[in-house]
Amino acid sequence: DTGVSQNPRHKITKRGQNVTFRCDPISEHNRLYWYRQTLGQGPEFLTYFQNEAQLEKSRLLSDRFSAERPKGSFSTLEIQRTEQGDSAMYLCASSPDRGTEAFFGQGTRLTVV
Amino acid sequence: AQSVAQPEDQVNVAEGNPLTVKCTYSVSGNPYLFWYVQYPNRGLQFLLKYITGDNLVKGSYGFEAEFNKSQTSFHLKKPSALVSDSALYFCAVRDTSGTYKYIFGTGTRLKVLA
Repeated sequence: DTGVSQNPRHKITKRGQNVTFRCDPISEHNRLYWYRQTLGQGPEFLTYFQNEAQLEKSRLLSDRFSAERPKGSFSTLEIQRTEQGDSAMYLCASSPDRGTEAFFGQGTRLTVV
Repeated sequence: AQSVAQPEDQVNVAEGNPLTVKCTYSVSGNPYLFWYVQYPNRGLQFLLKYITGDNLVKGSYGFEAEFNKSQTSFHLKKPSALVSDSALYFCAVRDTSGTYKYIFGTGTRLKVLA
């Protein structure tokens, strides 16, 4: 499969725990995005990487959220001290440097209990 | 600030009838516009885009969209709806100020009735 891959697909965690999600973009796609989607809403932008550089972070992204993209390949999104309000679908997308549309992964559904 | 609006939460259409899902946008400069579809518990799937050129763009699964600059609209259309088209549809605009992020509408649920 050459699409965007996200792991895990589902994660249930207790409030206060830390979680980490992984995204493997399409090979050679330089741009990588993280979005959050809650039920009945459109995806909300969280952060964007150009290669390994994190170029933009949304004001929605609290200090508990951190994302990395070492070596410009896969990316991780970590949420520390999870809260019930963090329950959502976390979507990763990638696009080539000269591309226009982004290609999305299947998402990681986080449930904080 | 750039934004898109999808005025209808839900659109119902009978199978075989034409469908339209509405989208209006607000951007500075030339818009890059997109439609995505989402099936339950799945990621977003790209349908079509408008960058420049013909105002009528064709995409996957028989969908097309009409770009109207004067009305700042980018409505999604299909001549004959299928039950399998039932899904959540999102309009999006890509930021043109250099960050390249995509800004999504709130989505429209399309229900095609047999």
